Amino acid sequence: SAVISQKPSRDICQRGTSLTIQCQVDSQVTMMFWYRQQPGQSLTLIATANQGSEATYESGFVIDKFPISRPNLTFSTLTVSNMSPEDSSIYLCSVGIDTQYFGPGTRLTVL
Amino acid sequence: GNSVTQMEGPVTLSEEAFLTINCTYTATGYPSLFWYVQYPGEGLQLLLKATKADDKGSNKGFEATYRKETTSFHLEKGSVQVSDSAVYFCAFYYGGSQGNLIFGKGTKLSVKP
Repeated sequence: SAVISQKPSRDICQRGTSLTIQCQVDSQVTMMFWYRQQPGQSLTLIATANQGSEATYESGFVIDKFPISRPNLTFSTLTVSNMSPEDSSIYLCSVGIDTQYFGPGTRLTVL
Repeated sequence: GNSVTQMEGPVTLSEEAFLTINCTYTATGYPSLFWYVQYPGEGLQLLLKATKADDKGSNKGFEATYRKETTSFHLEKGSVQVSDSAVYFCAFYYGGSQGNLIFGKGTKLSVKP
């Protein structure tokens, strides 16, 4: 399985600001996924990021709010823009097709 | 539509007790099935998986069998430890190019010494 790291591991941010979360994988992968886990809830897929093309967003998530970059086959970023307290969540990236492996997550608190 | 129904928690057990967490799914075809575990303050770890009917996934003393006839994938462990305290998520992958996982709501397990 791939080794996945995320930065930052946690952050506390003020409303109206933006935070960029980085996801690094130790091997080249075609698809990377970004999930949100709201407090006490399950995981919801935000978008799928393929290298060389625009990310594909799930219903309820838009590029203006969650822009994603995928500059190469080992790295992706997710930005949470114009944050509000409702954005307080754990954000996780994952890789894999029929079996997905997850990064350790970024715990975001918005005040 | 595609969904996972998972036993609601929290579940509190004494050490060495038997654990069952029920999970059923609704999907077209025969998806791959997974259990993930999330320890306090950490991300998700793959616990076990099964890819076809009657397959048994196992890891760290946990087991789950892919039951096509009942569309179930119940998680079991014969003797839980305090270190098993975590949230357990049942999930399935229903295929396609996007590789989307469908997760259950999670079951929080607390094991008391």
